[in-house]
This record gives sequence, structure tokens and C-alpha cells, in this order.
Amino acid sequence: GAVVSQHPSWVICKSGTSVKIECRSLDFQATTMFWYRQFPKQSLMLMATSNEGSKATYEQGVEKDKFLINHASLTLSTLTVTSAHPEDSSFYICSANEAARDARETQYFGPGTRLLVL
Amino acid sequence: GQNIDQPTEMTATEGAIVQINCTYQTSGFNGLFWYQQHAGEAPTFLSYNVLDGLEEKGRFSSFLSRSKGYSYLLLKELQMKDSASYLCALKGYGQNFVFGPGTRLSVLP
Repeated sequence: GAVVSQHPSWVICKSGTSVKIECRSLDFQATTMFWYRQFPKQSLMLMATSNEGSKATYEQGVEKDKFLINHASLTLSTLTVTSAHPEDSSFYICSANEAARDARETQYFGPGTRLLVL
Repeated sequence: GQNIDQPTEMTATEGAIVQINCTYQTSGFNGLFWYQQHAGEAPTFLSYNVLDGLEEKGRFSSFLSRSKGYSYLLLKELQMKDSASYLCALKGYGQNFVFGPGTRLSVLP
């Protein structure tokens, strides 16, 4: 299957700072990438859909000015958590679909980034 | 919107068979997917259904009935490493996925 990487895998930061997380599709082009957040013992919650060359689409309740998403190329999307607070501490996971649209096509998940805000 | 329901926790014995159910209410979807997620790791793809019926893939099988709004994941010959969370997800027409709450499966020796 296709490979998606995330960097960093772990980040600890002070409250008020900004953190950037990168999501890369390594062996395929991804016109669409998705950003999820997962709290302990809960399921994945979609935050936003990142579209190459256009603005991201945010889910209801997700602040677009706090979670900045940039999808500058077909292989890279970034999520920046601005002015992070302890309640932003979570497991952030990205995923990507291949460019070919297919009902059978699954999403390929990155390994996730664990963020801890002190 | 989409409303997906799964049992929160299940326990089974090594070597046994377990069925994890997923019920949903939605106006339409492209396919239903099952993922396995070990603690602290990203989900990994297990199986998917687009049409009604059973899809078999080794020790894992998944079933879908669109008319009943129901799917299940069947795990055979359970192994200790199968202890994980199992997520069903609906793939919308816009390529986005909506995940169910997940079922934590514990496999006991």
C-alpha cells in the first residue's frame, strides 16, 4: 500500500507557542489530505480536508485561524497549531487518498503526531 | 449527517471467532471500511464493502447490508495480537471518511 509519513512523531511545547506538523505522501500524489484529532480512548474526529492549491475545508467547531492548513504540493500538507494550549494536547493523524477517485480506495494514514502542550 | 454506532468493548478467547457490529444511519455513502488501531498507532486498513454481502480476506471478513444499515467485522482464529480497537468508517461521496466510536477488543489466553 501507499506510504504516508508525518513529522514530528512527538512534540512537547509550551503554552502559547505554535507547532507545525508535516504530512507527506511518499510514493503517490495526493490531491486531498485529511487531518484528524484523536483523544485518548476516543475515535478519530475529522478536523479538516486539505485540498492541493486551494483553501482547506474545516469541520464544524474547528477554528480555522487556530489550525492553519497549507497544501502547497501534491505530496505535502502542513497543519500548524497556533498559540497552543494544554487542551490542544492530542494525537493528530493525517491521511491521504491517491489522485485517482475510486469508491474502493481507502485512505492511507500517517503514523500520527502526539502533541503535549505544557 | 451520519450516525455510527459500535459496541464500546468486547472480550474473546484466543483461537475463537468474534463478530464486531456496526450500525449506521446515513443518507448515502460510497463504501464502508474497517480499520484496526493499536494503542498509540495510526489505523491500518482491514477490509471494505461497497456492495451488500460478505468480503473475505484471510482471517478477517466484513459484511454489509445497506437496507438494514448494518455491517460486521468477523475475526477468526483470534490471536493475542488482535487485541486492538476496531473502527468502522463510512466513505462519503466527497472522499471523506466518518469514523465510528470504535470497539476495543481484548483477546484473552
